[in-house]
Amino acid sequence: DIVMTQSPDSLAVSLGERATISCKSSQTVLSSSNKKNSLAWYQQKPGQPPNVLIYWASTRESGVPDRFSGSGSGTDFTLTISSLQAEDVAVYYCQQYSSTPYSFGQGTRLEIK
Amino acid sequence: EVQLVQSGAEMKKPGESLKISCKGSGYNFPKYWVGWVRQMPGKGLEWLGIIYLGDSDTRYSPSFRGLVTISADKSTSTAYLQWSSLRASDTAMYYCATLGQDYFGSIGYFRNWGQGTLVTVSS
Repeated sequence: DIVMTQSPDSLAVSLGERATISCKSSQTVLSSSNKKNSLAWYQQKPGQPPNVLIYWASTRESGVPDRFSGSGSGTDFTLTISSLQAEDVAVYYCQQYSSTPYSFGQGTRLEIK
Repeated sequence: EVQLVQSGAEMKKPGESLKISCKGSGYNFPKYWVGWVRQMPGKGLEWLGIIYLGDSDTRYSPSFRGLVTISADKSTSTAYLQWSSLRASDTAMYYCATLGQDYFGSIGYFRNWGQGTLVTVSS
């Protein structure tokens, strides 16, 4: 099974500043067939189901603000929020979908400093 | 737009059985894969498994195989998650969600989510 590890576990950033979350996989999630990385990012706010932000490591889901971006390849990935807004306070998860079970990272809690 | 509606909260005793549901609507729903995710109180997301509504092809996480059963009824566009004998450690929020899709087929991330079903197991 592929193990996903996020860092940090929690993060406090000032409004308007950049927030960066890292995600590492124990094996590559780069597909040899389509040359895409099978990596998604989710945002979960209290009392709500998760909401997908990014898939294929860097493709923004429809309706997601462009301050959210994803990057990385192979085993190392990053979610960046370019200018933190109050509504971005949430827990963020990465997930690999390269091979089942499609495992999640442990989550990163993002707060306002 | 695919929408998922899950069955209501359940309170059960250890050893009891339970089946919760996830009913989908929207364009060509029977051609979707539907998955289940567990979130224990105050904890992260855990992938339980997925099922293809068209033919009930099912993939389980090894951590949950034998502990839960995932099934589906294509005629009603409904997926199910069931336990034959609940334990206190099954207390959690359970979400269903559909896999993403593009022109080439399914993509393994979860695009559309149900509202969640809270299962509480206590004597």
